[in-house]
This record gives sequence, C-alpha cells and structure tokens, in this order.
Amino acid sequence: GENVEQHPSTLSVQEGDSAVIKCTYSDSASNYFPWYKQELGKRPQLIIDIRSNVGEKKDQRIAVTLNKTAKHFSLHITETQPEDSAVYFCAASPSGGSNYKLTFGKGTLLTVNP
Amino acid sequence: GAVVSQHPSRVICKSGTSVKIECRSLDFQATTMFWYRQFPKKSLMLMATSNEGSKATYEQGVEKDKFLINHASLTLSTLTVTSAHPEDSSFYICSAWGQGRAEEEKLFFGSGTQLSVL
Repeated sequence: GENVEQHPSTLSVQEGDSAVIKCTYSDSASNYFPWYKQELGKRPQLIIDIRSNVGEKKDQRIAVTLNKTAKHFSLHITETQPEDSAVYFCAASPSGGSNYKLTFGKGTLLTVNP
Repeated sequence: GAVVSQHPSRVICKSGTSVKIECRSLDFQATTMFWYRQFPKKSLMLMATSNEGSKATYEQGVEKDKFLINHASLTLSTLTVTSAHPEDSSFYICSAWGQGRAEEEKLFFGSGTQLSVL
C-alpha cells in the first residue's frame, strides 16, 4: 500500500518568514495530493491540492509543488502569520473522488511566532 | 465546500457501554464514507471504508466486531464502538468526497467526536 513520509515533524518560524513542509510517497499510481490544516480539536480543513498533471499550484500565500519522478511534493507558505499556526498534513491517493482513500503523512506542527 | 456533519462532538461513557457516532453528508449523497481515528498529536489513521448498502471494508488490525459500521442511506453512516474500554478513547472523525465538478474530487471531514471512556 501507499506510504507517505512527512518532514519536518515540527517547524517554528518568525512571522513574515516562509515555511516549507515536504512529503514523499511510495506508490507511483498516486496522482492526487491534498494538504490539510488542522487546529487543535478541530476537523482537518483542505487548504490546497494538486494532481499529477501539473507541477505547481498556487493560492495566494500557499503553493504546492509536485515532482512525480522523485515522488515528492511540498507545501510552501509565504509571509506567515500567527494564525497559520496549526498541524499540517499531506496526503496521497490513487485518484481523487469516490471510493479512493487518502493515506496521510504524520503531520507537521507549524508555530509562527509573532 | 461540501458539508459533513458529525454527532456527537464529545461523549463520555463508562467502560463496557456502547457509543454510536453519526456522520451525515449535508445536501449531497455519499455512497462511500471513511472513518478515521486520531490520537493526540498523531496523524489520521483510516479505520474503515463505509459503503452504502453493503458491508464496510476494514483496515488491517481494526476489529470489525468492535467498531460496527452501518451505512444505511446515501447521507448517513454510523460508527458504533461496542463494549468500549479506556483504550478506545480517541478522536473519531468521518469524511466523504464532495459532489459537483469542483467539489467531487475533494475529501471533506466531519467535525469529529472526542470519545472518553472511563
């Protein structure tokens, strides 16, 4: 089955700096890669996703890059703000939708210091 | 985005009792729902895939007689933790793929249920 590795497990940055979280996956059949943000005691919220037909996607301060050959993808947050502090999870799936299950990384605790 | 509703949000029960958690897809139909378990400061661990009108598919190591799943309609899946014990205390969360061109290939989560077994 799919195995998703996520690094680092914790990340502390100063407000305004950039944060980068990296994930690798093992199943070459995976082609859907979402990122979720989870605050303590709350549900994971989808913040951005990417499919294997593109190498990069951006949404305001958040971007995701994908290297299918190397089987890794990364989350980039620029101009970080204290409200970005949360746990971030990457995930991979053979396809988006219907019966396909996501395999999650172990999460990164991001702390943005004011 | 698509809304997945989960109840209750928090439950405390005595050891040996059973607890039912409901997961509903609001304004869309979900033939498949997923149940995850999450320990404090840990990742989401898939427990089972709930299939409308048929048996759930359990992940390796998850006891199907312990965690009963029923998906009787296109908008409701339930997870029953039977004969709960303290080690079953955890955050349980359901999810479903949204519908509609932009939403259908995105997985949305319920608000989660914090179960505490005394």
